[in-house]
Amino acid sequence: QSALTQPASVPGSPGQSITISCTGTSSDVGAFDYVSWYQQHPGRAPKLMIYDVTKRPSGVSNRFSGSKSGNTASLTISGLQAEDEADYYCISYTSSSTLWVFGGGTKLTVL
Amino acid sequence: EVQVVESGGGLVQPGGSLRLSCAASGFTFSSYAMSWVRQAPGKGLEWVSAISGSGASTYYADSVKGRFTISRDNSKNTVYVQMNSLRAEDTAIYYCAKALLHWGAFDIWGRGTMVTVSS
Repeated sequence: QSALTQPASVPGSPGQSITISCTGTSSDVGAFDYVSWYQQHPGRAPKLMIYDVTKRPSGVSNRFSGSKSGNTASLTISGLQAEDEADYYCISYTSSSTLWVFGGGTKLTVL
Repeated sequence: EVQVVESGGGLVQPGGSLRLSCAASGFTFSSYAMSWVRQAPGKGLEWVSAISGSGASTYYADSVKGRFTISRDNSKNTVYVQMNSLRAEDTAIYYCAKALLHWGAFDIWGRGTMVTVSS
């Protein structure tokens, strides 16, 4: 069982917006602004999409945005495109000795 | 180009050992913490281990503590993980990842190297 809770799957249609949640605790998501999101296509390495809750690395589309409220972080993808279909993982820095906790991943399906 | 490239994966019997390497280029290697993250077939990501830029501090997931040892050679821009007493559940793709300066995220990932533990 993963330390951070994500929905197993989220459906979306081209052009729509979807939000993926990532729920942790006051020791990780709620304690630090160090939540990051990763996109992983089948057979590929994860790619950083959002870091420090809201920041986008250079080259990542502005259709991707992040936010946080309390112990829950969220990734929003607007203007869904077929290429957005992938698995998405959240990671948070934590005060425990393990340093980071991972979400179980969310499969985004673009119908 | 900033990149990390893993090597050393393969098939090993239960109880055996393997050493993975991760060669980095395109950035000041000694300034950044590095980490290993694994993904079992069809499963999600699992953090395995991390090491500070100087190598003075190391961290491990409970699932590998006492069996895996992470190290780095800053003169060779390479990080290693020595994996001993391997179990079937260690079977996974092992990714090497570079951490941001504040350790809050992983911005560079390698393509991974597959480790299969089976008799």
